[in-house]
Amino acid sequence: QLQLQESGPGLVKPSETLSLTCTVSGGSISSSSYYWGWIRQPPGKGLEWIGSIYYSGSTYYNPSLKSRVTISVDTSKNQFSLKLSSVTAADTAVYYCARHLSGFDPWGQGTLVTVSS
Amino acid sequence: QSALTQPASVSGSPGQSITISCTGTSSDVGGYNYVSWYQQHPGKAPKLMIYDVSNRPSGVSNRFSGSKSGNTASLTISGLQAEDEADYYCSSYTSSSTLRYVFGTGTKVTVL
Repeated sequence: QLQLQESGPGLVKPSETLSLTCTVSGGSISSSSYYWGWIRQPPGKGLEWIGSIYYSGSTYYNPSLKSRVTISVDTSKNQFSLKLSSVTAADTAVYYCARHLSGFDPWGQGTLVTVSS
Repeated sequence: QSALTQPASVSGSPGQSITISCTGTSSDVGGYNYVSWYQQHPGKAPKLMIYDVSNRPSGVSNRFSGSKSGNTASLTISGLQAEDEADYYCSSYTSSSTLRYVFGTGTKVTVL
């Protein structure tokens, strides 16, 4: 059974870079035909797609975040990562990772990242 | 890239059927058969309920069904149960030139 787990700092200072890692277990991140994505949800608000990566390294980003986002993959560790630069309080959210083809499934449990000094 | 439009809330009594709409444009919902629906209980991660407009993943109750007409997709929950009370989000693929997704605004389903 495929499982995903987010990890990283829960508190980031304004203007700094948010860094999160998603560890995949129960299957290989190199499986063809699947993408690996990041989605976030500000407290009390809706879901926002941040971006996705194919196992080969091809990346796709939400245009509204593209200038600040980098997603990378480490197939040797079965992980993929998110970096979001120049964060502000508006980036405070629960960050989820998920596998997807057309639907996002499964999802990690999510990790809350708060941007505050 | 605007969020897809969903009603803020929908309610129904146990045993009834309810339908949640998800309205987009010809560039997303209307242009591709890649609409998916998610159920989210408080404090939990979203769960995929429907993919590719009308397909149910293994393990999802057949009380959940999806459809699409033009730029509007719909999720119907039949035989409403207390456990169906949750937030529901739609999502759609939204680009012909690159991979891109948009989510709906979310709908709170209340079982009366």
